[in-house]
Amino acid sequence: EVQLLESGGGLVQPGGSLRLSCAASGFAFNSNDMTWVRQAPGKGLEWVSAISADSGTIYYADSVKGRFTVSRDNSKTTLYLQMNTLRADDTAVYYCAEGLMNTMTWDNWGQGTLVIVSS
Amino acid sequence: QSALTQPPSASGSPGQSVTISCTGTSSDVGGYNYVSWYQQYPGKAPRLMIYEVNKRPSGVPDRFSGSKSGNTASLTVSGLQAEDEADYYCSSYAGARGVFGGGTKLTVL
Repeated sequence: EVQLLESGGGLVQPGGSLRLSCAASGFAFNSNDMTWVRQAPGKGLEWVSAISADSGTIYYADSVKGRFTVSRDNSKTTLYLQMNTLRADDTAVYYCAEGLMNTMTWDNWGQGTLVIVSS
Repeated sequence: QSALTQPPSASGSPGQSVTISCTGTSSDVGGYNYVSWYQQYPGKAPRLMIYEVNKRPSGVPDRFSGSKSGNTASLTVSGLQAEDEADYYCSSYAGARGVFGGGTKLTVL
């Protein structure tokens, strides 16, 4: 069974940093692309970033480019999202998902971790 | 990076069919056959229902179907059931990025 477990969310002040993790199990992590998608409270889904299985290809949404960095450790089957210079509009539930970035198809999703940016 | 356009709400009675549209541009929906649809219940993670316009992952009922014409994709739910009441999001590959629709709340009357 595919399992994706996000962690690292919490309350952070504007301008601060946070690192999210997504621990994966139940599938060949080193063969699958991964993504981060967020959802602001009461709002729709917003694609944030994607990383290929070998970390050779990385994409970002314009809204986070230059502030967020996605990475993965295939030996630990873990995906990361380093978030810097956080703003109030980064407040959201952050989901990780696995799938195929060449088609932006995401087969399995974690339950999400809540990030609140507020003073 | 504009979101894809979906109607905010849709509804139908049990047993009926309902279609949700998703309009983009030639840079996303119209340019690739890589449209996906996700179902999301309140407080839960999204679930993939349709991928590559009209393909169903295993476990998804065949009441769910997808199609595309030009810059507009559609999700049709036939034989509506109470459990189909949820939010539905379309998504498309857009060349080195992904893009979602604003979501449609499907109500089963």
